Amino acid sequence: RKEVEQDPGPFNVPEGATVAFNCTYSNSASQSFFWYRQDCRKEPKLLMSVYSSGNEDGRFTAQLNRASQYISLLIRDSKLSDSATYLCVVNTEPGGYNKLIFGAGTRLAVHP
Amino acid sequence: DAMVIQNPRYQVTQFGKPVTLSCSQTLNHNVMYWYQQKSSQAPKLLFHYYDKDFNNEADTPDNFQSRRPNTSFCFLDIRSPGLGDAAMYLCATSRGTSTAYEQYFGPGTRLTVT
Repeated sequence: RKEVEQDPGPFNVPEGATVAFNCTYSNSASQSFFWYRQDCRKEPKLLMSVYSSGNEDGRFTAQLNRASQYISLLIRDSKLSDSATYLCVVNTEPGGYNKLIFGAGTRLAVHP
Repeated sequence: DAMVIQNPRYQVTQFGKPVTLSCSQTLNHNVMYWYQQKSSQAPKLLFHYYDKDFNNEADTPDNFQSRRPNTSFCFLDIRSPGLGDAAMYLCATSRGTSTAYEQYFGPGTRLTVT
């Protein structure tokens, strides 16, 4: 079983749609959680951290359920510029160092 | 201003011909990481340096080596590239090893093996 699992998509949605991505992780000792965005042939960039209380940044809302080991990302009012791959990332600290475990990503395509 | 720089952005090498990828940083971060990302797959950590201390992931092939001559630079050496080593190689840095520190990624080097 992969440490971080995501639906690969693609999700094809029209502009203005609301879309939700889900992610599960296997290591209950995971300490930090993130969503990264990766454009085609570019490096991953941090989109937002994910907290148990949930957090929102503009059109983006992230949720964490530690009991279920489940993370979600909601994008409201999708824009063409939101088209990218969204990577679910968990952070563990095996042996005391900062290790990011990436999911394979969910691809989003927003069309006019 | 570029903070994590990778050169070259695209590298073509022949099967079995050693190749070196370069990463430099202007952030003065203590930790530097190398990730491998194959097409449509997740980035996978190969190893990292905390200052001069090298930490290899258990499943990183012996074919991959790294050097960090100073704080600013880190190199990835692939001794005998195989076709399966074609991938994007991402360098990242962080201030420290705690999970509280964000990792900053460079633009990556896309390696092609012919």
